[in-house]
Amino acid sequence: EAGVTQFPSHSVIEKGQTVTLRCDPISGHDNLYWYRRVMGKEIKFLLHFVKESKQDESGMPNNRFLAERTGGTYSTLKVQPAELEDSGVYFCASSQAPQAYYGYTFGSGTRLTVV
Amino acid sequence: LAKTTQPISMDSYEGQEVNITCSHNNIATNDYITWYQQFPSQGPRFIIQGYKTKVTNEVASLFIPADRKSSTLSLPRVSLSDTAVYYCLVGDIYYGQNFVFGPGTRLSVLP
Repeated sequence: EAGVTQFPSHSVIEKGQTVTLRCDPISGHDNLYWYRRVMGKEIKFLLHFVKESKQDESGMPNNRFLAERTGGTYSTLKVQPAELEDSGVYFCASSQAPQAYYGYTFGSGTRLTVV
Repeated sequence: LAKTTQPISMDSYEGQEVNITCSHNNIATNDYITWYQQFPSQGPRFIIQGYKTKVTNEVASLFIPADRKSSTLSLPRVSLSDTAVYYCLVGDIYYGQNFVFGPGTRLSVLP
């Protein structure tokens, strides 16, 4: 089966601009998660979708971040306006059950650099 | 959420067995233990998951004592390609809670 696909793989934008990251989960996976690692720190949870609904968005850092999952398929994470501290790697993961038996399948991430 | 503690780094040689222990003293009754592996420029990859006793798959074994306050990931006969960061996560896998990635254990396999 195809894995979790994220694009772009890299993005360099200027402070104040807008960037949209996309994640295509494994087909049939209702659960979709966004995580990120910034400035060499630990991987942190951002939010969790079940189908098109936000199950948990407690990790979203502020209102500059907006995540959507139209029709319960792919998801986008928009950062507007981007700040320097948003630089890092953004990971998307999906799973059929929340994490039962086989854990999450992660994408390779989008490396975001804000200059 | 249960907090986990792992060694920051470990070194090993090719062909050796590597055991990485994770402490999770406040693990809850419904919590499972899951291990992930991460290579540079890639997302974490699921290795193994267990609740108690021993679980084995084609790549690793997971040993969990009766009190479940720790767990040990065992990698048999490591190779250079096993050099990676290994994360231990603890949580209720059916509830869908967000999981906490600690700093992980950076394993370096030497020739």
